[in-house]
Amino acid sequence: QSALTQPASVSGSLGQTITISCTGTSNDVGGYNYISWYQQPPGKAPKLVIFEVSDRASGIPSRFSGSKSGNTASLTISGLQAEDEADYFCCSYTSSNIWVFGGGTKLTVL
Amino acid sequence: VQLVQTGAEVKKAGESLKIPCQASGYTFDTYWIGWVRQKPGKGLEWMGIIFPRDSDTRYSPSFQGQVTISVDRSITTAYLQWTTLKASDTAIYYCTRLNDSNAFDFWAQGTMVTVSS
Repeated sequence: QSALTQPASVSGSLGQTITISCTGTSNDVGGYNYISWYQQPPGKAPKLVIFEVSDRASGIPSRFSGSKSGNTASLTISGLQAEDEADYFCCSYTSSNIWVFGGGTKLTVL
Repeated sequence: VQLVQTGAEVKKAGESLKIPCQASGYTFDTYWIGWVRQKPGKGLEWMGIIFPRDSDTRYSPSFQGQVTISVDRSITTAYLQWTTLKASDTAIYYCTRLNDSNAFDFWAQGTMVTVSS
């Protein structure tokens, strides 16, 4: 099972909107709506941000949103804030009844 | 809900290791517990998952045969075990709970495993 493909890094200025993509296959991202996103600040454990493609986890601000088209899922953060700077990982359920993570994207807030 | 792991383990190559993940605050039997590896400066790797009620276990092909996941229901604790550690096993290992939406909603703080050659 290969890791899902994410850009290594994205950046945006305070207040701007950024989107992180997560590309898989019809055996994972394209075949199921069990797509989740995780935020990991430096030196900390991951934290659930989005589940089932577009539902926000408890306590996550509405600036965070998720979507999916075909074999690609996306996480969008609008109105970027300094505290959003972190690594972001997507995750998908697969046809092998296991899960797979994306390679991760480092978000830099300028 | 709380998942608690030990902070760090330092071992030598060839040794065995079993690290715990103690769960509390919810019905342990009814939620899958997963394990995730993160090598220094790298991304998250999904290792495997176990359902405590019946010990149904699934492994990533990358980790099948390399580690063993188990539970002790009497003390609501999941385990990740190695019989022969390698230097390449040096990483942070997280346990995490799978919720009803197939997302990992609670994470422990991780156990840093350092294996010297």
